[in-house]
Amino acid sequence: AAGVIQSPRHLIKEKRETATLKCYPIPRHDTVYWYQQGPGQDPQFLISFYEKMQSDKGSIPDRFSAQQFSDYHSELNMSSLELGDSALYFCASSLSDTQYFGPGTRLTVL
Amino acid sequence: GQQVMQIPQYQHVQEGEDFTTYCNSSTTLSNIQWYKQRPGGHPVFLIQLVKSGEVKKQKRLTFQFGEAKKNSSLHITATQTTDVGTYFCAGGSNSGYSTLTFGKGTMLLVSP
Repeated sequence: AAGVIQSPRHLIKEKRETATLKCYPIPRHDTVYWYQQGPGQDPQFLISFYEKMQSDKGSIPDRFSAQQFSDYHSELNMSSLELGDSALYFCASSLSDTQYFGPGTRLTVL
Repeated sequence: GQQVMQIPQYQHVQEGEDFTTYCNSSTTLSNIQWYKQRPGGHPVFLIQLVKSGEVKKQKRLTFQFGEAKKNSSLHITATQTTDVGTYFCAGGSNSGYSTLTFGKGTMLLVSP
């Protein structure tokens, strides 16, 4: 069965740089969620989109923005990167309440 | 805002022993979902509970949702080394959004 695809899987950036993470949801899923997970932490909800509109907002910093495109893929744009942004970033998609997670993008900020 | 507490943070058992993790929400939940995350992996959906007092079983795993829909538990009977990982509960709110609030997770280590 098709799963959530995330790219890139690993990303290394320097402080103050920008990064773009991409997420391709499971086909026919209409909702996409972004999470940030620090080492040993639980996934922290950042933002979600339903039918290409922002549906809910969590602890997403103002330096980050996201959108969902007409093909339902989503991108998380991160600017002015800080050391503390180093984390695993997961995208999840759903058709109902159940969320299916992608493999994640490991972002390292040096 | 909604908070989901999960205990214990960590448990180390011998293979064959039982294991239970508990979740408690500060607010009534619309549903609760359980995920397992292996080291270096991503959260994998295990189950969703929706009804008050619901009990669901998956082989050696038993999931319960409290009558007040504010707490839940996951019990594993006769653990195996393949059960190693972090188990997260995630509660859905009644706000109309499908956003989940995750507990801190319980890391399970099973020694052979």
